[in-house]
Order: sequence, then C-alpha cells, then structure tokens
Amino acid sequence: QVQLVQSGAEVKKPGASVKVSCKASGYTFTNYGISWVRQAPGQGLEWMGWISAYNGNTNYAQKLQGRVTMTTDTSTSTAYMELRSLRSDDTAVYYCARDEPFGYFYYMDVWGKGTTVTVSS
Amino acid sequence: DVVMTQSPLSLPVTLGQPASISCRSSQSLVYSDGNTYLTWFQQRPGQSPRRLIYKVSNRDSGVPDRFSGSGSGTDFTLKISRVEAEDVGVYYCMQGTHWPPTFGQGTKVEIK
Repeated sequence: QVQLVQSGAEVKKPGASVKVSCKASGYTFTNYGISWVRQAPGQGLEWMGWISAYNGNTNYAQKLQGRVTMTTDTSTSTAYMELRSLRSDDTAVYYCARDEPFGYFYYMDVWGKGTTVTVSS
Repeated sequence: DVVMTQSPLSLPVTLGQPASISCRSSQSLVYSDGNTYLTWFQQRPGQSPRRLIYKVSNRDSGVPDRFSGSGSGTDFTLKISRVEAEDVGVYYCMQGTHWPPTFGQGTKVEIK
C-alpha cells in the first residue's frame, strides 16, 4: 500500500537547521510530487512548499523563501525538507504528502504521520 | 492568496444526527482544465490529516458513504449524514487550484 514514512522527532536550538525525510513506498515515486505542510501546536495546517519527484522543480511558500530547501533522492524514493535559521515559532509537526507531479494544482492524497520539530534554547 | 473561510469553527453534534460544514473561497476554484480542486481532510485527535473528498465531491477509497461533498465556484459543503463517534476531529477544506494552496481554519466536530 502507498506509504510515506517520516523521520523521527527533532529538538533544535534557535538558529540551527533541521532536515526531515519522507520515504515513499507502494507507488512509483517519480510519478508524483511531494508537498510539505506544517502544523504548530493547537493550530491549523500551513503549506510550506512542493517538490516534483519527476523533475526536481520546487515551489516554496513566500514566507519561507530563503530558509527552506526541498530535495529528493529518486534512488531511495525519499524526499527531504531542510529548514534553516530556526526560530521558536518553527516549532510544529511537519508533514509530507503525496501530490501532483507538475505543480499545476494540488491534491495531497496520502500523508505521512508527521515529524515533531521543537525549537528551544 | 485565496482565503478559505470555514463555518462553523466548532460543531457539537448528537450521535446519529447529521452535520454540515461550510467552506467559502475568496475567488472561484475552477481550474483551467474545468476541474475544481477543492479537497476535504479529516484530522482525528493525535493523527495526521486524511483526505476524505477530492475535486468537490469524490470520496476517497475507504471513506464511508455517510460523508459527501458538494458545491461549486466559491461555495462548498461537507456533510456527514449520521455522525458516529469515530468522526470526532477537525475537518479542513483546502483549495489546490491557485498557488499557493491554502487551507480553511478547521472545524472541530465533537459529540454533544
């Protein structure tokens, strides 16, 4: 069955970086894209960006431009999201979700279980 | 960005009774291919979001038929015909037509 398995929880200090992985299985990785969505404690869902596993194209949310990088490794069917210069308000659960391969529209049909990132001094 | 506005934000429901959630967008969600990329997600307590409905009214595999989606243009509705205990959680609408994709604030469904 289609699955996205994310890496484990992280605790980081302000100013550090975090890299979260999302390993796909049960489907052809390069036929889709991956969106990243985060959820701060007790809050709603915030789209962070998208990467095409087909051609590596990316789209990032404007507020995260310059701090976020999304990549894929097609040899291992894994997507990565790196967030730099962490602040306390980056504390959230980070989700990956399978999405459209070309970024024309978005539908997020399968989600990972989430990775908790805590930013604290 | 397209603003998605859900109502109500809190919905206490009696078991076995119907429930309805409204989602309105600040602009039309009809894409150039003629489809409307309006999606509904369910997030049970402590779980990740799960897609229930895509393109306004299409149920995902395994989603009970008591869930239905309807609407067009800028006005959409998720209905639960008879609420069960397992339906407790937060429901989000999302538009995927315009960049960036945006979510509603979420509607918390609880049992009275």
